[in-house]
Amino acid sequence: GESVGLHLPTLSVQEGDNSIINCAYSNSASDYFIWYKQESGKGPQFIIDIRSNMDKRQGQRVTVLLNKTVKHLSLQIAATQPGDSAVYFCADISGGSYIPTFGRGTSLIVHP
Amino acid sequence: EAGVTQFPSHSVIEKGQTVTLRCDPISGHDNLYWYRRVMGKEIKFLLHFVKESKQDESGMPNNRFLAERTGGTYSTLKVQPAELEDSGVYFCASSLGVTNTGELFFGEGSRLTVL
Repeated sequence: GESVGLHLPTLSVQEGDNSIINCAYSNSASDYFIWYKQESGKGPQFIIDIRSNMDKRQGQRVTVLLNKTVKHLSLQIAATQPGDSAVYFCADISGGSYIPTFGRGTSLIVHP
Repeated sequence: EAGVTQFPSHSVIEKGQTVTLRCDPISGHDNLYWYRRVMGKEIKFLLHFVKESKQDESGMPNNRFLAERTGGTYSTLKVQPAELEDSGVYFCASSLGVTNTGELFFGEGSRLTVL
């Protein structure tokens, strides 16, 4: 089965609200996690990453949380903007590999 | 600096025909990857080149798919003969080195529609 997957295919939020996109993974050997953003007509673009020895990492308006106990990863976007509308993919890399394994993606829709 | 470029952006062919997709990685990137996304599903790994060598082709679905990277620069992915289930978006990505980080630089994808 899939190594990573997302809980919801679509997430709708109002502009200005915070967004939380969730991801579950099954491979306990995964030691590196990445979030990618894919805008319409473009390829996936790296947003933020986190290693398994961390439980939180912050970027600009984005925070990734990692809960290894329940194998759960989330991406939080603060003050969501229309430009955040995209499909978000989580991906993991397990020890010894260097190839990201992607999930199905969550489509984030931001309403003005 | 030019990013990863892919050609064509969209190809519509009939079942049984042949299609060749091309990817030009970022200049100097030794690593080149092919992925595919079938509608609504995950982005699935196909194969990985280091320079001109196939490092990992475990994701190639079957022998109708042939990837090459002669000279270690651009890469082609040929599907022959194409089947309906080959429809999807084919992404190429590149990275400078294999450093166990996931920052791959993706192209915009080649959408393949097989009728």
